[in-house]
Amino acid sequence: GAVVSQHPSRVICKSGTSVKIECRSLDFQATTMFWYRQFPKKSLMLMATSNEGSKATYEQGVEKDKFLINHASLTLSTLTVTSAHPEDSSFYICSARLAGSSYEQYFGPGTRLTVT
Amino acid sequence: SQQGEEDPQALSIQEGENATMNCSYKTSINNLQWYRQNSGRGLVHLILIRSNEREKHSGRLRVTLDTSKKSSSLLITASRAADTASYFCAPQTSGSRLTFGEGTQLTVNP
Repeated sequence: GAVVSQHPSRVICKSGTSVKIECRSLDFQATTMFWYRQFPKKSLMLMATSNEGSKATYEQGVEKDKFLINHASLTLSTLTVTSAHPEDSSFYICSARLAGSSYEQYFGPGTRLTVT
Repeated sequence: SQQGEEDPQALSIQEGENATMNCSYKTSINNLQWYRQNSGRGLVHLILIRSNEREKHSGRLRVTLDTSKKSSSLLITASRAADTASYFCAPQTSGSRLTFGEGTQLTVNP
């Protein structure tokens, strides 16, 4: 089956620093990837849609300068949390849509970010 | 995109019992998907039902879809402790992003 990986799985950083999270589709090409964040016992909130070779589309209320998304290849998208603050602490999950499909979407295992 | 609303928010049952979760949505869809999330993990795709299907089975899972009522149900038969997880539905229009409701937290007690 289609596998999506995320790296790192957990990261702790200090306030003011930046953190990069990678999302990779391991055995398929993904023209579109999605980034979500999830607070404890809450739903996944869609942050942005990342299309290979173009700028990401951000959901309302998500700061694009705060959460930088790069989708440089058909198998890799990165989310960089810039100048992280404790309120950015969350569980970040990416998903990748199979190229050529309008609905097959596979999720990564998530990255737990803690900002101290 | 639109998100589904799962009901109940929480469900606690004994091993061997059946678990039924419901999902409602607001506008026409192309398909509806169900996902499971174990605590602290990513989402696992369970089953997809298309708008022209009424029922679909996969192992111990049975999903129904009633487009006239804009609702779907997920039935897990003969539940196991390992089924303990959050379950989310995701109604989808072709090509749209998946968004999620609060989910149903299922606890299966051994």
